Amino acid sequence: NAGVTQTPKFQVLKTGQSMTLQCAQDMNHNSMYWYRQDPGMGLRLIYYSASEGTTDKGEVPNGYNVSRLNKREFSLRLESAAPSQTSVYFCASSGTGQGAYGYTFGSGTRLTVV
Amino acid sequence: KNQVEQSPQSLIILEGKNCTLQCNYTVSPFSNLRWYKQDTGRGPVSLTIMTFSENTKSNGRYTATLDADTKQSSLHITASQLSDSASYICVVRVQTGANNLFFGTGTRLTVIP
Repeated sequence: NAGVTQTPKFQVLKTGQSMTLQCAQDMNHNSMYWYRQDPGMGLRLIYYSASEGTTDKGEVPNGYNVSRLNKREFSLRLESAAPSQTSVYFCASSGTGQGAYGYTFGSGTRLTVV
Repeated sequence: KNQVEQSPQSLIILEGKNCTLQCNYTVSPFSNLRWYKQDTGRGPVSLTIMTFSENTKSNGRYTATLDADTKQSSLHITASQLSDSASYICVVRVQTGANNLFFGTGTRLTVIP
């Protein structure tokens, strides 16, 4: 049982480049989330998808877009990367609506924008 | 303002010793509080979850307490092991709102032999 799988694990981008972070879960969870984790700060929600076909902004959505491709997959896209987007990105999923219980996190993508 | 504050920021203890990590929160209306363990280079993994009516919950050598009146929680680790070296994150969920999880910044625990 893989849980939540994120790819890639590491990425270095030049300012202005674009990329997509991939996330897939095999737990049949309805809700999926993208967070970023920066030193000295708690995880911050970028975007979430409460169910297949819906996406909503979180606390820090600027500079990002998301796609809920199907129930399993939720991708995060950086259209024009900026150094401020250097961070560790975590995808998570939960089985009950807004995530009351059962959050499962992926192992993260460490992104550096130079 | 909804906040979750953890202390200490970092802690170094000898293998076999006990330690207690603190979490104070101001978020409301409270739904539940969860402690996560995050190993270096990994995603957070849930240790315990506590609702309003629960004041103690154990998971092996980890024991979490919750005082909903004072809005404080603690995570006690007994007989620490080298594998306990990690960051421990307190997360509070509120009952309403789309973005309803509030994360602390974590306590970095290092267990040394």
